[in-house]
Amino acid sequence: QSVLTQPPSASGTPGQRVTISCSGSSSNIGSNYVYWYQQLPGTAPKFLIYRNNQRPSGVPDRFSGSKSGTSASLAISGLRSEDEADYYCAAWDDSLSGYVFGTGTKVTVL
Amino acid sequence: EVQLVESGGGLVQPGGSLRLSCAASGFTFSNYAMNWVRQAPGKGLEWVSYISSSSSTLYYADSVKGRFTISRDNAKNSLYLQMNSLRDEDTAVYYCARDFEDNSGYHFPFGYWGQGTLVTVSS
Repeated sequence: QSVLTQPPSASGTPGQRVTISCSGSSSNIGSNYVYWYQQLPGTAPKFLIYRNNQRPSGVPDRFSGSKSGTSASLAISGLRSEDEADYYCAAWDDSLSGYVFGTGTKVTVL
Repeated sequence: EVQLVESGGGLVQPGGSLRLSCAASGFTFSNYAMNWVRQAPGKGLEWVSYISSSSSTLYYADSVKGRFTISRDNAKNSLYLQMNSLRDEDTAVYYCARDFEDNSGYHFPFGYWGQGTLVTVSS
């Protein structure tokens, strides 16, 4: 059961900017870092964003993260066909003493 | 290169047991915390369990607490998940995942993932 809520889908044409929201509570996003993961069809998830807005080396700067209060967002600018994937947010939850993932957002490139 | 290879999945009857393994290579295994994350067919990601680098700290999702046990053998560079009293809803691909370490030496979760192993619970 997901504690973090994401929109089920998002879409855009090549070159556009797409934003995905992730809504939580004071026990998770409100008090801990947010992480983002990309899962291409049929593959394992890939680490995209850590510490709310930091990118590991190798992740294009088209991907950016932000956090405000109990919500976070992932933005994909200059959308490309290879960005078509499922995206998940995650955070530690102090009340549950465990990690929680978002419900996931499927991004479609039109 | 960091490599994580899960094994041990398969078909098991409800109430049965299974032990998953994750073989790590390409890094000093004993320096990193590890997690198990699962994904039911067509569903989203669900965190299952965490183990610190020295095994001193363990965490479990409520959905598996009391039934699953996470462990590691740093001498064998291996992570394990003992799954007992399996239920239909435990059917999923199980991934092991290693922490990511940034340039300052801080660790963050789920930085590297294995390819997963499928567990099917069905009679």
